Amino acid sequence: NAGVMQNPRHLVRRRGQEARLRCSPMKGHSHVYWYRQLPEEGLKFMVYLQKENIIDESGMPKERFSAEFPKEGPSILRIQQVVRGDSAAYFCASFASGGGTEAFFGQGTRLTVV
Amino acid sequence: KNEVEQSPQNLTAQEGEFITINCSYSVGISALHWLQQHPGGGIVSLFMLSSGKKKHGRLIATINIQEKHSSLHITASHPRDSAVYICAVQGAQKLVFGQGTRLTINP
Repeated sequence: NAGVMQNPRHLVRRRGQEARLRCSPMKGHSHVYWYRQLPEEGLKFMVYLQKENIIDESGMPKERFSAEFPKEGPSILRIQQVVRGDSAAYFCASFASGGGTEAFFGQGTRLTVV
Repeated sequence: KNEVEQSPQNLTAQEGEFITINCSYSVGISALHWLQQHPGGGIVSLFMLSSGKKKHGRLIATINIQEKHSSLHITASHPRDSAVYICAVQGAQKLVFGQGTRLTINP
């Protein structure tokens, strides 16, 4: 079991381009969370997904950001028309179920918008 | 007021000292996590607690559900323990993170 895999580890995008971040959860895990860590700040919740469902997206900016977790394949966090303020580390965590089980984190994707 | 408060925010100590990092929370939780993040690095889960105490090597984590408080202790601290330690509480739908404690252990 390779753990939670995020790719790419580093992503550079010009302003206005799209960024796609991928998260493959632990084998058998059906719950994925995305978090954002702005420079010198703490982790902030973005979105909680189960397979094919968005459970809680209260932390997602209303525009330009979307997330999905299809039946097959990784979870995708998509940022359209990136701006400099989107530069951050984006982490995903997977759980076997929604509460009271151990969280496993990916190494993060560091997005730099130039 | 934040739902999860950690103290201290920054801590510098000498190698060998006993370290305590505190976490208080104000919401109902199903579990509490202690995480470690090295500079520029990923996040490692150290402990998940729902009651009592857990020990792993030189690390000890305790939680008091009634008082809504948890502590992370490091015995015989070492420079390689230098990192940011993050407390996260798990409610029904999501993890809520503390701001982290930046620990520096000097040789």
